[in-house]
Amino acid sequence: EIVLTQSPATLSLSPGEGATLSCRASQSVSSGYLAWHQQKPGQAPRLLISGASSRATGIPDRFSGSGSGTDFTLTISRLEPEDFAVYYCQHYASTPLMYTFGQGTTLEIK
Amino acid sequence: EVQLVQSGAEVKKPGESLKISCKASGYSFTNYWIGWVRQMPGKGLEWMGVIYPSDSDTRYSPSFQGQVTISADKSLTTAYLQWSSLRASDTAMYYCARPGDRREFDYWGQGTRVTVSS
Repeated sequence: EIVLTQSPATLSLSPGEGATLSCRASQSVSSGYLAWHQQKPGQAPRLLISGASSRATGIPDRFSGSGSGTDFTLTISRLEPEDFAVYYCQHYASTPLMYTFGQGTTLEIK
Repeated sequence: EVQLVQSGAEVKKPGESLKISCKASGYSFTNYWIGWVRQMPGKGLEWMGVIYPSDSDTRYSPSFQGQVTISADKSLTTAYLQWSSLRASDTAMYYCARPGDRREFDYWGQGTRVTVSS
């Protein structure tokens, strides 16, 4: 079973700064099945990135994803006030069929 | 426009049964898996299981196998999550979500809050 470990647990930054969030898999995974989601308080999660690096429809280009193998990164280039939220990475495995979420990174205003 | 609309909040007592729903629209319901995700208060996201409505192929997370039942009605384009005997530890927000072409959860329901308390 693949475990996704996100770091840091909490990231305190100011608007305008850049953010780097990490997602590490317990074994090498297909980047094609690695996604990132954003969740704001009281809201459902929202897809940001699929296939490790493809932005979902309507997601601003300040969000970018990268990585392969066991190490994946979500980068937010210039933080806007609405970007402060919890971010989750998510992976899909086909055999056995399994979806896995990381434990989340909270991005908070410094 | 793809939409997943979930049933309303529920307050139940331990031992009671419950079935919550997720109405899908805006896409071919039988061509995509649809799944359920639990979020306990103040905690992260946990995948529970998925169903392929075309043939009702259902897969569960080992953590939830035997604890819940996932089903779907093709004619109503609706997926369901049910419990036969609720426990206080089932108190959580439950989301339905559709895995897309890369198996990313690309569309999410608004969530159904389930509270189990005596």
